[in-house]
Amino acid sequence: ETGVTQSPTHLIKTRGQQVTLRCSSQSGHNTVSWYQQALGQGPQFIFQYYREEENGRGNFPPRFSGLQFPNYSSELNVNALELDDSALYLCASSLAQSSYNEQFFGPGTRLTVL
Amino acid sequence: AQSVTQPDIHITVSEGASLELRCNYSYGATPYLFWYVQSPGQGLQLLLKYFSGDTLVQGIKGFEAEFKRSQSSFNLRKPSVHWSDAAEYFCAVEVYNQGGKLIFGQGTELSVKP
Repeated sequence: ETGVTQSPTHLIKTRGQQVTLRCSSQSGHNTVSWYQQALGQGPQFIFQYYREEENGRGNFPPRFSGLQFPNYSSELNVNALELDDSALYLCASSLAQSSYNEQFFGPGTRLTVL
Repeated sequence: AQSVTQPDIHITVSEGASLELRCNYSYGATPYLFWYVQSPGQGLQLLLKYFSGDTLVQGIKGFEAEFKRSQSSFNLRKPSVHWSDAAEYFCAVEVYNQGGKLIFGQGTELSVKP
């Protein structure tokens, strides 16, 4: 059983560009959540997907969007990148959208915006 | 609004010494509380969680935490720290009635002296 994987590991973009980050959920998990972790801060909840539908969103602007695919892998898209978007982006998968089901986190994608 | 505060940004303890990491939360009802650990280059790993019942919760790697409603606290403890425990520790609370969506504290970095 493979864990949660994310790609790419690192990437560098310039302000105004668009970026897509990818997450492969742990086998059998139908729920994925995305978090942004700025340097020296705790993760902040961006949004959650359950069975391909958005199921809750944190305090992030619409230029942060996502997708979940039938195989439950997921993408996070960020348009019009800003310098403050530089952060570690974490995805977490779980069996269902309940705290009783442990969330398993991937190692993250480090995004740098210049 | 719900929030989590970890008062200590950085703590240094000697190997073999006891450890207590503080966590205070703000929440209108009985919270679901979590402690995660993050090592460099790794995703977050769940140490333990509290939903209800016994206020002393046992977790992995010899960690435990005690829920104290009167103090709005959920402090993490370990009786004897090992060098491999050096990492960043995050306390989190579930967003009210939204399974799997977490609010994290800013983290406490633990260093272990030989």
